[in-house]
Amino acid sequence: DVVMTQTPVSLSVSLGGQVSISCRSSQSLVHNNGNTYLSWYLQKPGQSPQLLIYKVSNRFSGISDRFSGSGSGTDFTLKISRVEPDDLGVYYCGQGTQYPYTFGAGTKLELK
Amino acid sequence: QVQLQQSGAELAKPGSSVKISCKASGYTFTSYYISWIKQTTGQGLEYIGYINTGSGGTNYNEKFKGKATLTVDKSSSTAFMQLSSLTPDDSAVYYCARSTLDYWGQGVMVTVSS
Repeated sequence: DVVMTQTPVSLSVSLGGQVSISCRSSQSLVHNNGNTYLSWYLQKPGQSPQLLIYKVSNRFSGISDRFSGSGSGTDFTLKISRVEPDDLGVYYCGQGTQYPYTFGAGTKLELK
Repeated sequence: QVQLQQSGAELAKPGSSVKISCKASGYTFTSYYISWIKQTTGQGLEYIGYINTGSGGTNYNEKFKGKATLTVDKSSSTAFMQLSSLTPDDSAVYYCARSTLDYWGQGVMVTVSS
C-alpha cells in the first residue's frame, strides 16, 4: 500500500495567520491516465471528514479560496491563509491513485 | 443536497456480527459507488472497500477480506456493511462515503465488548 506521511503532527496558528501542511507519498501518485489523485480533508471535532481539495489543487464545491493545494509526484502541500476559527481541526491527505485508498495520519491545527 | 445517513451506534459482543446501513439521498444512487472507511485513534483512517451500487460488485482492501461484507439495496438507495466475528480491534467509527470520498456519512460508532 502507498504510505502517506504528513508533517507536522500539530500546528499552532493565530487567527488571520497562514499555515502549510506537507504530505509525502511513498510512491508517485501520477496515475496511468495522467491524473494525480491526491486529496485533502478536514475533520472538525465531532464531525466526519469533509473534502477540501481533490486532484492536488482543485477546491471542492463551497470551499473557500483561502485553501490551496499544490505539489506533484510524491510531494504535496496544503496552504491555509487568513485562518478562521472554523478552520480548526485535523487535516488529512489521502491518495486514490493506487488501490486501496490510503490516508496520512493527520495534522492537528490549533489556536496559538 | 447530497446526504448519506448512517444507522445508529452499535454495542456488540465478541464473536458476533453487526450490520450498519448508509442511506443516500440527493443524487442518483446507482451513478456512484459507496466506499467504507474505518477510523480509530490508533490506526487513523483505513479504507475498507467499495461496492458498485449498480451491479453490486465489490472490491475489498485485502486487510478487510473476511471481516467486512458489503451489500446494497437499490430500491431504498441504501448500502450496508456487515462486520463479522467481531473482536475488540473492530471497535471504531465506520463511515460510508460516496465513491471518490467527496461526501461522507456522519459515522457509526461500533463498540465490541463483553
